[in-house]
Amino acid sequence: EPEVTQTPSHQVTQMGQEVILRCVPISNHLYFYWYRQILGQKVEFLVSFYNNEISEKSEIFDDQFSVERPDGSNFTLKIRSTKLEDSAMYFCASNQRKTGYEQYFGPGTRLTVT
Amino acid sequence: LAKTTQPISMDSYEGQEVNITCSHNNIATNDYITWYQQFPSQGPRFIIQGYKTKVTNEVASLFIPADRKSSTLSLPRVSLSDTAVYYCLVGDGAEYGNKLVFGAGTILRVKS
Repeated sequence: EPEVTQTPSHQVTQMGQEVILRCVPISNHLYFYWYRQILGQKVEFLVSFYNNEISEKSEIFDDQFSVERPDGSNFTLKIRSTKLEDSAMYFCASNQRKTGYEQYFGPGTRLTVT
Repeated sequence: LAKTTQPISMDSYEGQEVNITCSHNNIATNDYITWYQQFPSQGPRFIIQGYKTKVTNEVASLFIPADRKSSTLSLPRVSLSDTAVYYCLVGDGAEYGNKLVFGAGTILRVKS
């Protein structure tokens, strides 16, 4: 069964450093998403991406964040200058069609900012 | 977005049937009801989706009464591996984009 993959599984970085989290969505999916979950809290939407542009972004997704689909398979989330409060699990998700709620999530990247 | 209310937690024993109810009094005509499951340190996983009456798949059943103001996720004969957080989501992706808005969910603990 096809699945979303994410790398790395765990990333430790120092405050102020740039990090890039990588995702490989399911190959025939067209819509891509990033979510995050701070330890013990809800899963929060960050951004959705379709046709090489951002469809929607949340208030969390400020100028420090960016997304890119550099080739036909990867989908990346960049945090330009990490803050302590960026420590969280980051989940990539994808789906095939715009409507409907069935999204496929990756296993997540645990980001620890020290 | 329809607001949803679920129990914070539930306990069960292996082999029992578990029913988790979600209230969504303000559900709109075009809204679907979707349930996700999340194991610790893993991404959410789609379980089941429905609009009305009953939907069943290999994992669970979803019961939706005629007024659609609530729904019940039914897990038959749970095992220890069903211990997870279960989220009820209500909405129509076409209306506001298809981002998922998660609440706190219901923590299900299955004991032996």
